[in-house]
Amino acid sequence: DVKVTQSSRYLVKRTGEKVFLECVQDMDHENMFWYRQDPGLGLRLIYFSYDVKMKEKGDIPEGYSVSREKKERFSLILESASTNQTSMYLCASSWGGWADLGNQPQHFGDGTRLSIL
Amino acid sequence: GQQLNQSPQSMFIQEGEDVSMNCTSSSIFNTWLWYKQDPGEGPVLLIALYKAGELTSNGRLTAQFGITRKDSFLNISASIPSDVGIYFCAGQRMWEYGNKLVFGAGTILRVKS
Repeated sequence: DVKVTQSSRYLVKRTGEKVFLECVQDMDHENMFWYRQDPGLGLRLIYFSYDVKMKEKGDIPEGYSVSREKKERFSLILESASTNQTSMYLCASSWGGWADLGNQPQHFGDGTRLSIL
Repeated sequence: GQQLNQSPQSMFIQEGEDVSMNCTSSSIFNTWLWYKQDPGEGPVLLIALYKAGELTSNGRLTAQFGITRKDSFLNISASIPSDVGIYFCAGQRMWEYGNKLVFGAGTILRVKS
């Protein structure tokens, strides 16, 4: 079975802090994704990566950056946390590189519920 | 932007009843996915559909990829209390800027035991 592990289930940070959310997958997947999930807005894509050191912006990248130094790990960084970034953050991964981005199903982690005070 | 219309928004059913939910879109997708999300958890993949017209089962779950590639349905037969949760459909395709996975708003399933 695919296992996508997010480092924290719950996280509380203060406004202005730099926040790191970590995600690791154990299936050798090329593609990894970061979403946020908010009531009434559904899942929205922040960034995705189709290979090591490659990253692409999703629908709402402002205020975020990502890092993919190793294939199995994809980090989401909130450069200067703000209260409107309080949300549930979900990491996902899928098999295949760029050519398979639209074809292979994404597998999700359990999420990190982040609160910015 | 692209949207998926998922219905119904919520439903109460009697244990043992069959359930049906569907998603429609104005856009064509390469892949249709159905996920279930329990409170405080991430979405779990239930069924993936890759071809127009494809009908796939996973235990008591059956899903179909519409012929037009713009819709999909999910059926749950003989519902049980653990079927409670939120079910999401998702359509996936490539576009010039990469992957596009569009989620429906979800169907909240509540079972009367």
